[in-house]
Amino acid sequence: QKEVEQDPGPLSVPEGAIVSLNCTYSNSAFQYFMWYRQYSRKGPELLMYTYSSGNKEDGRFTAQVDKSSKYISLFIRDSQPSDSATYLCAMSGALGGTSYGKLTFGQGTILTVHP
Amino acid sequence: NAGVMQNPRHLVRRRGQEARLRCSPMKGHSHVYWYRQLPEEGLKFMVYLQKENIIDESGMPKERFSAEFPKEGPSILRIQQVVRGDSAAYFCASSPPKAGKKYEQYFGPGTRLTVT
Repeated sequence: QKEVEQDPGPLSVPEGAIVSLNCTYSNSAFQYFMWYRQYSRKGPELLMYTYSSGNKEDGRFTAQVDKSSKYISLFIRDSQPSDSATYLCAMSGALGGTSYGKLTFGQGTILTVHP
Repeated sequence: NAGVMQNPRHLVRRRGQEARLRCSPMKGHSHVYWYRQLPEEGLKFMVYLQKENIIDESGMPKERFSAEFPKEGPSILRIQQVVRGDSAAYFCASSPPKAGKKYEQYFGPGTRLTVT
């Protein structure tokens, strides 16, 4: 079993839809949770990061972490064609732990937002 | 450009040759990480370095791969005697110097290595 599971999709939605992207994980040592966006043949771009459980909002993006369920989500409101990309979740252990700073990634979900 | 810089962007090597990939971190960053992205797979951690020190190389293959981050100049990932299975995108990331910010990693554009 992989430490981080992410449905690769592909996911196709109409412009303006709310997109929900999710990851589950098995390592309870993970404390930091990140979402990256990767356009084709480009490097991953850090979108958001959260620490422990809770919500974080940044513009059209909302990240949620539920540590009790080992489940994280990224919501994109009012999706745009420019949001079409692969979305990667990533996780890291706590400061001082062996996995701190060593990001473990999900496989990525391919998202297409069509006009 | 204040972002993470990697070169070359594309590298073609024949089997048995050496590949050298370079990475310059973001300005002000002192931690460098290397990841590999194989076709149809996610990003996999390889190594974490600070200036003149390898901090964690638990993701590095035991043979043929090495990394360094000298006091002056870029970080270098070196692959000796490349094989076809080394063909992948290699990404470098950097994080701020504060110890509590290592999870905040910014990635470069990657080097796409093709072994023929």
